[in-house]
Amino acid sequence: NAGVTQTPKFQVLKTGQSMTLQCAQDMNHNSMYWYRQDPGMGLRLIYYSASEGTTDKGEVPNGYNVSRLNKREFSLRLESAAPSQTSVYFCASSETPSTGDEQYFGPGTRLTVT
Amino acid sequence: QKEVEQNSGPLSVPEGAIASLNCTYSDRGSQSFFWYRQYSGKSPELIMFIYSNGDKEDGRFTAQLNKASQYVSLLIRDSQPSDSATYLCAVANAGNMLTFGGGTRLMVKP
Repeated sequence: NAGVTQTPKFQVLKTGQSMTLQCAQDMNHNSMYWYRQDPGMGLRLIYYSASEGTTDKGEVPNGYNVSRLNKREFSLRLESAAPSQTSVYFCASSETPSTGDEQYFGPGTRLTVT
Repeated sequence: QKEVEQNSGPLSVPEGAIASLNCTYSDRGSQSFFWYRQYSGKSPELIMFIYSNGDKEDGRFTAQLNKASQYVSLLIRDSQPSDSATYLCAVANAGNMLTFGGGTRLMVKP
């Protein structure tokens, strides 16, 4: 049981390049989330998926797109990377979208955009 | 805009002392409150959650919630060097969306 896995662990992009961050969970959870964490700041929600087939914007969605590929997988795409998107990206999942349901976090992807 | 505020620290305490971490939030409709611990370079891990006013104890950890004052705290008794980490306060609203504070860095000195 791996929990929440993310690939890649590290990535360096040039401004304008695109890439997709992958996230998968093996806990049969219904809800999945993408956060970013900048130095000295807490995590901020980018997008979430309450259940398979649904996605919604979080606090900072601009510049990102997501796909809930199936119940296990939730990907985050940067179409045209900008230096402001340099951050650590965490994927999380919870059993349900009910308020207060514990979220389990993946190990993170460290992205640098030059 | 919903806000969660924490003192960034560092909060330095000697080994064996009580560490007190505080958090305030702006949204009175907030329903659930969480404390996550994050070691440097690692992902957040949940250590406590609290839904109702009052205290909730789990081992060396006690979470305190005062909804009238919009205040959440975490007490760590008998602090150990292994408790040195950043502690993130998070508040959940409808749809289980978490709003995080910036975190308080705790240093426990042997």
